[in-house]
Amino acid sequence: AQTVTQSQPEMSVQEAETVTLSCTYDTSESDYYLFWYKQPPSRQMILVIRQEAYKQQNATENRFSVNFQKAAKSFSLKISDSQLGDAAMYFCASEDNNNDMRFGAGTRLTVKP
Amino acid sequence: DVKVTQSSRYLVKRTGEKVFLECVQDMDHENMFWYRQDPGLGLRLIYFSYDVKMKEKGDIPEGYSVSREKKERFSLILESASTNQTSMYLCASRGTGGFGNTIYFGEGSWLTVV
Repeated sequence: AQTVTQSQPEMSVQEAETVTLSCTYDTSESDYYLFWYKQPPSRQMILVIRQEAYKQQNATENRFSVNFQKAAKSFSLKISDSQLGDAAMYFCASEDNNNDMRFGAGTRLTVKP
Repeated sequence: DVKVTQSSRYLVKRTGEKVFLECVQDMDHENMFWYRQDPGLGLRLIYFSYDVKMKEKGDIPEGYSVSREKKERFSLILESASTNQTSMYLCASRGTGGFGNTIYFGEGSWLTVV
């Protein structure tokens, strides 16, 4: 079975600065996807970024990018130029090709003005 | 935009009551899910459905059942609510193809059992 670990329950960042959220995972599958989801306070959880394990190039979506280290089973999320609207709970998730999706415990990000 | 709507955002129920949590999606998605979210535990899958009248148990199905009579609607049922079922419940949906596709979530239903 897969496991996903987020070791940082809470993080904070100053507005306009950069923050990195950590995630490690464990899977025995060779084909899998990794995700970061964002859950703003009292709002719907939305997909931030997605990475397929076969792709070596790190995924990027505007100010959001990942550092995918396959051998180390690490999948960190970097948020550049942090904005107040980035404040949320962030969940790392892993899905294998049996459609088994696992979520980490989440990291609560605070953005300070 | 995909919309997943959970009709009840905040509920307070008594121990032993039967509780229905309703979820509707508007994108004709085949796959629908019910998760439970607890602090420090992340999201845990209760049940999912890949078609009308079809259902599969997730990781924590005990004390729950589900119903999917129409493609757009997926209901979570607590047959006899208990205090350890106090939690936030998230409904989600996803289209055909599954693996790697985006999952769309509802806003969540906060359930308190007293």
